[in-house]
Amino acid sequence: QVQLVESGGDVVQPGRSLRLSCEASGFIFSFYSIHWVRQAPGKGLEWVAVFWSDGTTKYYADSVKGRFTISRDNSKNTLYLEMNSLRAEDTAMYFCARENSVAGARAFDYWGQGTLVTVSS
Amino acid sequence: DIQLTQSPSVLSASVGDRVTITCRASQGIGSYLAWYQQKPGKAPKLLIYVASTLQSGVPSRFSGSGSGTEFTLTISSLQPEDFATYYCQHLNNYPPSFGQGTKLEIK
Repeated sequence: QVQLVESGGDVVQPGRSLRLSCEASGFIFSFYSIHWVRQAPGKGLEWVAVFWSDGTTKYYADSVKGRFTISRDNSKNTLYLEMNSLRAEDTAMYFCARENSVAGARAFDYWGQGTLVTVSS
Repeated sequence: DIQLTQSPSVLSASVGDRVTITCRASQGIGSYLAWYQQKPGKAPKLLIYVASTLQSGVPSRFSGSGSGTEFTLTISSLQPEDFATYYCQHLNNYPPSFGQGTKLEIK
């Protein structure tokens, strides 16, 4: 069955760095675009970044552009999010999600359980 | 960037009620709209994609409609497990933003 498992969340001080991982199983990882979505405590969902299945195309939300870097290792079925210059407003649960684009459908059909990042001094 | 506005933000209803949630886009997005359900402490779950297609395994009491800038999610007869927060999301271009959410509460 399709599974996405995030890890790497922690409590970090403002200005520090953190790397999140999203390990996938149950599907051909390289065939899918994978996204990061975050949710601050008690707030709504915010899209963060995507790495397309073409192996090169990436997009970022304006709120993280220049600070966060998304990457993927298809040999390890893993997506990463390198987060630098962390701010208090980056505190959130971070989810990875698979985009299903088969036959014109576009949606995030599978999500991980999330990993919590807390930025605090 | 495209903005999505959901209404209402909070909806109180009873088991068996028919409820409708609206999602309006700040510009046309064709049919590239998805609906998700999220329960506390859990990841979002896909319900509907391309505005009206039911995701596999989702009960048929959920339905979606609309195109362009106005979309609706309807639950035909609320069940106890449906009380949750619902989000719309557009996938027309980047960034694929979400609505602010609609919390469906028990009356």
